[in-house]
Amino acid sequence: SQQGEEDPQALSIQEGENATMNCSYKTSINNLQWYRQNSGRGLVHLILIRSNEREKHSGRLRVTLDTSKKSSSLLITASRAADTASYFCATDNTGANSKLTFGKGITLSVRP
Amino acid sequence: DAGVIQSPRHEVTEMGQEVTLRCKPISGHDYLFWYRQTMMRGLELLIYFNNNVPIDDSGMPEDRFSAKMPNASFSTLKIQPSEPRDSAVYFCASSFHLGGQGSYEQYFGPGTRLTVT
Repeated sequence: SQQGEEDPQALSIQEGENATMNCSYKTSINNLQWYRQNSGRGLVHLILIRSNEREKHSGRLRVTLDTSKKSSSLLITASRAADTASYFCATDNTGANSKLTFGKGITLSVRP
Repeated sequence: DAGVIQSPRHEVTEMGQEVTLRCKPISGHDYLFWYRQTMMRGLELLIYFNNNVPIDDSGMPEDRFSAKMPNASFSTLKIQPSEPRDSAVYFCASSFHLGGQGSYEQYFGPGTRLTVT
């Protein structure tokens, strides 16, 4: 069953703009992770945020987590054409014994 | 490290045939996961192992699917007999966990695109 639900399902922006993607989940978590998948490739881990953290940065990526609202957001600043990919949130649910539950993903298109 | 290695990258087979997908995890990783990805159902966890022992196979669709991990550097996912609805991309992923700290990042292989005609 899907735990994380990403929003929007698809996003198209101009190069240089910021891209914001959201993820909501239903049960308590140990951590939440974001992954990227380029067409025809495997998923690549981007960033992990623990349940006791509120914000985390990695390069042009900024992730926030609001456990009271059971939601997370991924912000990509100054987007590039190379950021075009699908983005997935994945939750490590409390008691799930180390397995992740992935959402269906957001398709991001960055126009040059 | 070469990352997670999967073979074959593409497999086309006829309905009823046996299919074996292979995975070599990253050396030193103690968890191995098998996923299936389709447009309709997204990314589904099929089964995962910890230290070569299957922990949760509740995602395996039916008895036609089986997975083994005979040692820390090799795992197989077998479908026998295969059906057209098994057509999907199958991913293997591995990770390394420090005990009691929750999941760490998973490293995915390139996937095997399976087409059953």
